[in-house]
Amino acid sequence: GAVVSQHPSWVICKSGTSVKIECRSLDFQATTMFWYRQFPKQSLMLMATSNEGSKATYEQGVEKDKFLINHASLTLSTLTVTSAHPEDSSFYICSANLINEREGRVPFEQFFGPGTRLTVL
Amino acid sequence: KNEVEQSPQNLTAQEGEFITINCSYSVGISALHWLQQHPGGGIVSLFMLSSGKKKHGRLIATINIQEKHSSLHITASHPRDSAVYICAVSLWSGTYKYIFGTGTRLKVLA
Repeated sequence: GAVVSQHPSWVICKSGTSVKIECRSLDFQATTMFWYRQFPKQSLMLMATSNEGSKATYEQGVEKDKFLINHASLTLSTLTVTSAHPEDSSFYICSANLINEREGRVPFEQFFGPGTRLTVL
Repeated sequence: KNEVEQSPQNLTAQEGEFITINCSYSVGISALHWLQQHPGGGIVSLFMLSSGKKKHGRLIATINIQEKHSSLHITASHPRDSAVYICAVSLWSGTYKYIFGTGTRLKVLA
């Protein structure tokens, strides 16, 4: 259980276009999903926390108008990179927290998607 | 100083060797997590610890809450263990979040 999928796994686009990445929890419900960015040989950098039915919370320095996040349901969050530029090329990973209805949300554990490699030409 | 420190940053071992990766943290935590990231990028959760010790196959993870320190051990290492191992702590900061260590890049040679 606790499987998270991402689509697409890789995408190449031209500068100025928009790209949408989907993150789905396949076998559980997640009120909160997280979007990360990772540059080569660096650690994960949290971009935003996405809560179902409400606006995402962005980390300092992340442009919310450039990285649009929508969390329409308990199993789907999307990240849209608008007007992409070469500097947006990176590896984007989502994660979802698991709600254990019997035991509550503590302790907290995230399950990660396989990632999306974005290359902007 | 990072809130989660890992050592070593890079590690090369011969197949069969016993491997230890260390993690120290400086904040109050809900739990500590060991993650594995393969070259393709996918991240797998290996362990979640709030006390004591856990074992899964050739992997052992321990945590000392008083000393704020955790170790990940790999016994009888194999080339397929080559990956980046990431220590992360989960804590409440208005919402639950992970703080990640910088990762340990492990290469096991045949």
